[in-house]
Amino acid sequence: AQSVTQPDIHITVSEGASLELRCNYSYGATPYLFWYVQSPGQGLQLLLKYFSGDTLVQGIKGFEAEFKRSQSSFNLRKPSVHWSDAAEYFCAAFNAGKSTFGDGTTLTVKP
Amino acid sequence: EAGVVQSPRYKIIEKKQPVAFWCNPISGHNTLYWYRQNLGQGPELLIRYENEEAVDDSQLPKDRFSAERLKGVDSTLKIQPAELGDSAVYLCASNERGRNGELFFGEGSRLTVL
Repeated sequence: AQSVTQPDIHITVSEGASLELRCNYSYGATPYLFWYVQSPGQGLQLLLKYFSGDTLVQGIKGFEAEFKRSQSSFNLRKPSVHWSDAAEYFCAAFNAGKSTFGDGTTLTVKP
Repeated sequence: EAGVVQSPRYKIIEKKQPVAFWCNPISGHNTLYWYRQNLGQGPELLIRYENEEAVDDSQLPKDRFSAERLKGVDSTLKIQPAELGDSAVYLCASNERGRNGELFFGEGSRLTVL
């Protein structure tokens, strides 16, 4: 079955520290891949997307993600986290007309 | 440009009561989605519309859930009767045809069933 897994339910980082959120997918073929962010009480906002080509993609708010086919991964990174980055982050895969979301990683930022 | 608009933002009802949620997508977006998001989980698709046609409703519990998008613009999702397990956030999303997987979400409607 097609699935998206986010192994970390909750991550805490200090403000100014670097961040990496993990995402693994299980599909027969490489799907389109996305990262979304959800602040409390809000809908999801698209951070970045990967369709093909360059495996390092840049997004909004200083985020980037790297696609690694050999590891079936699409990890999200940010060099220096700001307090406003505290939110829930969802990885998603799109294939054959359907989007499948992971269960999310909650990011807490310590001052 | 206005985003995806949903109402109500919050709804508390007794079990067995009906409830309806409304969504107005971004202007020009042909595709409209309803998702359910349970606490601590990612969104799960309930139904997808292309214009006024429901092209994927395989995950919609049709015994109690119904949806419509009569003129291919705004949409309504109804639950009748509601059960305790229906407590969740109901998210509406839209996108333009061809923008595969790039979804624009509303703020959601949080339903609590007592």
